[in-house]
Amino acid sequence: GENVEQHPSTLSVQEGDSAVIKCTYSDSASNYFPWYKQELGKGPQLIIDIRSNVGEKKDQRIAVTLNKTAKHFSLHITETQPEDSAVYFCAAYILTGGGNKLTFGTGTQLKVEL
Amino acid sequence: DAGITQSPRYKITETGRQVTLMCHQTWSHSYMFWYRQDLGHGLRLIYYSAAADITDKGEVPDGYVVSRSKTENFPLTLESATRSQTSVYFCASSQGPPNTEAFFGQGTRLTVV
Repeated sequence: GENVEQHPSTLSVQEGDSAVIKCTYSDSASNYFPWYKQELGKGPQLIIDIRSNVGEKKDQRIAVTLNKTAKHFSLHITETQPEDSAVYFCAAYILTGGGNKLTFGTGTQLKVEL
Repeated sequence: DAGITQSPRYKITETGRQVTLMCHQTWSHSYMFWYRQDLGHGLRLIYYSAAADITDKGEVPDGYVVSRSKTENFPLTLESATRSQTSVYFCASSQGPPNTEAFFGQGTRLTVV
Protein backbone atom coordinates (compact mmCIF):
# COMPACT_ATOMS: atom_id res chain seq x y z
CA GLY A 1 0.00 0.00 0.00
CA GLU A 2 0.88 3.67 -0.05
CA ASN A 3 3.53 4.93 2.34
CA VAL A 4 4.09 8.63 3.04
CA GLU A 5 7.20 9.88 4.82
CA GLN A 6 7.36 13.41 6.17
CA HIS A 7 10.37 15.45 7.30
CA PRO A 8 11.29 17.11 9.53
CA SER A 9 9.23 16.08 12.53
CA THR A 10 9.90 19.45 14.21
CA LEU A 11 10.89 22.75 12.67
CA SER A 12 11.69 26.01 14.41
CA VAL A 13 12.05 29.25 12.42
CA GLN A 14 12.29 32.93 13.20
CA GLU A 15 9.33 35.11 12.35
CA GLY A 16 9.64 36.32 8.78
CA ASP A 17 11.78 33.41 7.64
CA SER A 18 10.62 30.66 5.28
CA ALA A 19 9.69 27.13 6.29
CA VAL A 20 9.83 24.04 4.10
CA ILE A 21 8.32 20.65 4.88
CA LYS A 22 9.00 17.69 2.62
CA CYS A 23 7.11 14.47 1.94
CA THR A 24 7.81 11.44 -0.18
CA TYR A 25 5.33 8.83 -1.31
CA SER A 26 5.77 5.30 -2.55
CA ASP A 27 3.01 4.61 -5.10
CA SER A 28 3.44 6.30 -8.46
CA ALA A 29 -0.33 6.01 -9.06
CA SER A 30 -1.04 8.59 -6.34
CA ASN A 31 -2.65 11.66 -7.90
CA TYR A 32 -3.79 14.03 -5.15
CA PHE A 33 -1.66 15.59 -2.42
CA PRO A 34 -3.29 17.75 0.26
CA TRP A 35 -1.70 19.56 3.17
CA TYR A 36 -3.53 19.97 6.45
CA LYS A 37 -2.81 22.31 9.35
CA GLN A 38 -3.72 21.31 12.88
CA GLU A 39 -3.79 23.90 15.61
CA LEU A 40 -3.63 22.89 19.23
CA GLY A 41 -6.84 21.23 20.40
CA LYS A 42 -8.48 21.32 16.99
CA GLY A 43 -9.01 19.03 14.06
CA PRO A 44 -6.86 19.29 10.92
CA GLN A 45 -7.88 21.83 8.28
CA LEU A 46 -6.99 21.80 4.60
CA ILE A 47 -4.68 24.67 3.64
CA ILE A 48 -3.63 23.74 0.13
CA ASP A 49 -3.67 20.78 -2.23
CA ILE A 50 -2.18 19.81 -5.56
CA ARG A 51 -3.10 17.26 -8.19
CA SER A 52 -0.66 15.27 -10.23
CA ASN A 53 -1.25 17.21 -13.44
CA VAL A 54 0.47 20.35 -12.08
CA GLY A 55 3.89 20.94 -10.61
CA GLU A 56 3.27 23.92 -8.37
CA LYS A 57 0.42 25.75 -6.71
CA LYS A 58 0.45 28.96 -4.68
CA ASP A 59 -1.98 30.61 -2.32
CA GLN A 60 -0.65 33.84 -0.84
CA ARG A 61 2.22 32.89 1.51
CA ILE A 62 1.94 29.14 1.02
CA ALA A 63 2.93 27.03 -1.96
CA VAL A 64 3.20 23.36 -2.75
CA THR A 65 5.52 21.78 -5.30
CA LEU A 66 5.25 18.30 -6.74
CA ASN A 67 7.96 16.21 -8.39
CA LYS A 68 6.25 13.11 -9.79
CA THR A 69 9.45 11.59 -11.08
CA ALA A 70 11.08 11.66 -7.67
CA LYS A 71 7.75 11.05 -5.91
CA HIS A 72 8.07 13.89 -3.49
CA PHE A 73 6.17 17.06 -2.71
CA SER A 74 6.88 20.00 -0.45
CA LEU A 75 5.07 22.73 1.45
CA HIS A 76 6.65 26.18 1.43
CA ILE A 77 5.57 28.91 3.81
CA THR A 78 7.10 32.34 3.28
CA GLU A 79 7.19 35.30 5.67
CA THR A 80 6.21 33.07 8.58
CA GLN A 81 4.07 34.51 11.34
CA PRO A 82 3.39 33.28 14.89
CA GLU A 83 -0.06 32.08 13.81
CA ASP A 84 1.63 29.66 11.43
CA SER A 85 2.75 27.67 14.49
CA ALA A 86 0.91 24.35 14.27
CA VAL A 87 1.30 20.73 13.20
CA TYR A 88 1.29 20.21 9.44
CA PHE A 89 0.35 16.94 7.76
CA CYS A 90 0.93 15.94 4.18
CA ALA A 91 -1.11 13.20 2.54
CA ALA A 92 -1.27 11.22 -0.68
CA TYR A 93 -4.38 9.81 -2.34
CA ILE A 94 -4.61 6.69 -4.43
CA LEU A 95 -7.58 4.95 -5.99
CA THR A 96 -6.89 1.24 -5.95
CA GLY A 97 -8.80 -1.98 -6.30
CA GLY A 98 -8.94 -1.98 -2.53
CA GLY A 99 -10.81 1.32 -2.38
CA ASN A 100 -10.11 5.02 -1.91
CA LYS A 101 -7.07 5.64 0.23
CA LEU A 102 -5.74 8.88 1.66
CA THR A 103 -2.54 8.18 3.58
CA PHE A 104 -1.11 10.81 5.91
CA GLY A 105 2.44 11.57 6.87
CA THR A 106 3.47 11.61 10.52
CA GLY A 107 3.29 15.39 10.89
CA THR A 108 5.66 18.33 11.37
CA GLN A 109 5.47 20.55 14.44
CA LEU A 110 6.27 24.05 13.18
CA LYS A 111 7.19 26.71 15.72
CA VAL A 112 7.57 30.31 14.63
CA GLU A 113 9.60 32.24 17.16
CA LEU A 114 9.39 35.97 17.69
CA ASP B 1 -24.91 24.44 14.54
CA ALA B 2 -23.69 23.67 11.06
CA GLY B 3 -20.60 21.58 10.65
CA ILE B 4 -19.21 18.36 12.02
CA THR B 5 -19.37 17.61 15.70
CA GLN B 6 -17.97 14.81 17.81
CA SER B 7 -19.05 13.68 21.24
CA PRO B 8 -17.85 13.26 23.84
CA ARG B 9 -14.73 15.47 23.70
CA TYR B 10 -13.05 13.47 26.45
CA LYS B 11 -13.70 9.93 27.64
CA ILE B 12 -12.06 7.67 30.18
CA THR B 13 -13.07 4.03 30.12
CA GLU B 14 -11.87 0.77 31.57
CA THR B 15 -10.29 -2.10 29.70
CA GLY B 16 -12.91 -4.47 28.35
CA ARG B 17 -15.76 -1.99 28.27
CA GLN B 18 -17.67 -1.07 25.16
CA VAL B 19 -17.57 2.59 24.22
CA THR B 20 -19.15 4.51 21.36
CA LEU B 21 -17.86 7.74 19.90
CA MET B 22 -20.40 9.83 18.07
CA CYS B 23 -20.01 11.90 14.92
CA HIS B 24 -22.64 14.11 13.32
CA GLN B 25 -22.39 16.32 10.23
CA THR B 26 -24.96 18.78 8.89
CA TRP B 27 -23.71 19.16 5.29
CA SER B 28 -25.19 15.90 3.94
CA HIS B 29 -21.69 14.92 2.83
CA SER B 30 -21.55 11.49 1.22
CA TYR B 31 -18.25 10.39 2.70
CA MET B 32 -17.38 10.07 6.36
CA PHE B 33 -14.19 8.86 7.99
CA TRP B 34 -12.75 7.87 11.34
CA TYR B 35 -9.06 8.43 12.05
CA ARG B 36 -6.96 7.91 15.10
CA GLN B 37 -4.03 10.17 15.88
CA ASP B 38 -1.05 8.87 17.79
CA LEU B 39 2.36 10.44 18.28
CA GLY B 40 4.75 9.17 15.66
CA HIS B 41 1.99 7.77 13.47
CA GLY B 42 0.11 10.80 12.28
CA LEU B 43 -3.46 10.14 11.24
CA ARG B 44 -4.43 6.57 10.47
CA LEU B 45 -7.73 5.62 8.86
CA ILE B 46 -9.88 3.21 10.87
CA TYR B 47 -13.05 3.01 8.77
CA TYR B 48 -14.78 5.05 6.15
CA SER B 49 -18.20 5.23 4.56
CA ALA B 50 -19.06 6.31 1.04
CA ALA B 51 -22.80 6.58 1.73
CA ALA B 52 -25.46 5.40 4.14
CA ASP B 53 -25.24 1.65 4.71
CA ILE B 54 -21.86 1.46 2.92
CA THR B 55 -18.76 1.12 5.07
CA ASP B 56 -15.25 -0.15 4.43
CA LYS B 57 -12.12 -0.88 6.42
CA GLY B 58 -9.20 1.45 6.57
CA GLU B 59 -5.65 0.86 7.71
CA VAL B 60 -6.31 -0.08 11.36
CA PRO B 61 -9.86 -1.51 11.71
CA ASP B 62 -9.28 -4.27 14.25
CA GLY B 63 -11.27 -3.83 17.46
CA TYR B 64 -13.61 -1.22 15.97
CA VAL B 65 -17.12 -1.36 14.55
CA VAL B 66 -18.95 1.33 12.59
CA SER B 67 -22.43 1.83 11.23
CA ARG B 68 -24.06 4.40 9.00
CA SER B 69 -27.82 4.07 9.03
CA LYS B 70 -28.24 7.81 8.34
CA THR B 71 -26.13 10.03 6.11
CA GLU B 72 -25.40 12.52 8.91
CA ASN B 73 -24.23 10.09 11.61
CA PHE B 74 -21.22 7.81 11.73
CA PRO B 75 -20.68 6.29 15.19
CA LEU B 76 -17.52 4.39 16.06
CA THR B 77 -17.73 1.60 18.63
CA LEU B 78 -14.89 -0.04 20.48
CA GLU B 79 -16.35 -3.41 21.31
CA SER B 80 -13.95 -4.27 24.13
CA ALA B 81 -11.57 -1.40 24.80
CA THR B 82 -7.86 -2.06 25.18
CA ARG B 83 -5.08 0.25 26.39
CA SER B 84 -3.63 0.31 22.88
CA GLN B 85 -6.81 2.09 21.79
CA THR B 86 -5.95 5.09 23.95
CA SER B 87 -5.74 7.82 21.34
CA VAL B 88 -7.31 10.95 19.90
CA TYR B 89 -10.06 10.07 17.45
CA PHE B 90 -11.09 12.34 14.60
CA CYS B 91 -14.17 12.09 12.49
CA ALA B 92 -14.20 13.77 9.08
CA SER B 93 -16.57 14.20 6.18
CA SER B 94 -16.24 15.15 2.53
CA GLN B 95 -18.64 15.84 -0.32
CA GLY B 96 -16.78 13.40 -2.54
CA PRO B 97 -14.09 10.73 -2.34
CA PRO B 98 -10.86 11.31 -0.37
CA ASN B 99 -9.39 13.36 -3.24
CA THR B 100 -11.67 16.19 -2.21
CA GLU B 101 -11.44 18.43 0.87
CA ALA B 102 -12.19 16.69 4.15
CA PHE B 103 -13.63 18.58 7.10
CA PHE B 104 -12.57 17.33 10.51
CA GLY B 105 -14.34 17.39 13.84
CA GLN B 106 -12.61 18.69 16.93
CA GLY B 107 -11.63 15.22 18.11
CA THR B 108 -12.35 12.89 21.02
CA ARG B 109 -9.55 12.12 23.45
CA LEU B 110 -10.09 8.56 24.67
CA THR B 111 -8.15 7.07 27.56
CA VAL B 112 -8.44 3.37 28.33
CA VAL B 113 -7.27 2.47 31.86
